[in-house]
Amino acid sequence: QVQLVESGGGVVQPGRSLRLSCAASGFTFSNFGMQWVRQAPGKGLEWVAVISHDGKVQYHGDSVKGRFTLSRDNSKNTLYMQMNSLRVEDTAVYYCAKEKDFRASHCLDSWGQGTLVAVSS
Amino acid sequence: DIQMTQSPSSVSASVGDRVTITCRASQGISNWLVWYQQKPGKAPKLLVHAASSLQSGVPSRFSGSGSGTDFTLTISSLQPEDFATYYCQQAHSFPWTFGQGTKVEIK
Repeated sequence: QVQLVESGGGVVQPGRSLRLSCAASGFTFSNFGMQWVRQAPGKGLEWVAVISHDGKVQYHGDSVKGRFTLSRDNSKNTLYMQMNSLRVEDTAVYYCAKEKDFRASHCLDSWGQGTLVAVSS
Repeated sequence: DIQMTQSPSSVSASVGDRVTITCRASQGISNWLVWYQQKPGKAPKLLVHAASSLQSGVPSRFSGSGSGTDFTLTISSLQPEDFATYYCQQAHSFPWTFGQGTKVEIK
């Protein structure tokens, strides 16, 4: 079955960087776009970014544009998110998620357990 | 960006009740509307995609409808395991956006 395991979260000071990873298994990773969604403590879901199946296309939410970059290594079945210039308001649980459809962005059918990023001085 | 507005923000209901949650998009999104369920401390779970297509394994008491700007998620007979927060999300164009969530609580 599909499994997504995030790692790399932790406590970081404002202005610093962090890289999250998402290890995927149970499906052909190279055939599916992957996304990140975050949830600040006690708040709703916020869409963060998407990367296409081949890594050639990505889109970002307005709040992270220019600071967060996605990449993927299809040989290692791993998704990454480089988070630069972190702000206090980036504090959240970050979920990686798999797109449901083959090379098409319609919805997210599998999610990881999430990793907490806390930005604090 | 497309704004998604859910109502109500919370609803108190009893087991067996019919519950309806509404989601409105700030512009037409055809049927590119998704519903997720989230329980405390857990990742979201896909319930409905393409406005009305039930995800495999989701009980038939859940149903989605709508097109354009107005959408509805209905739980026909609320069960104890359905107490959770529900989110709509538009998949019409990036950046995808979520509604603010509707918490279904025990009455």
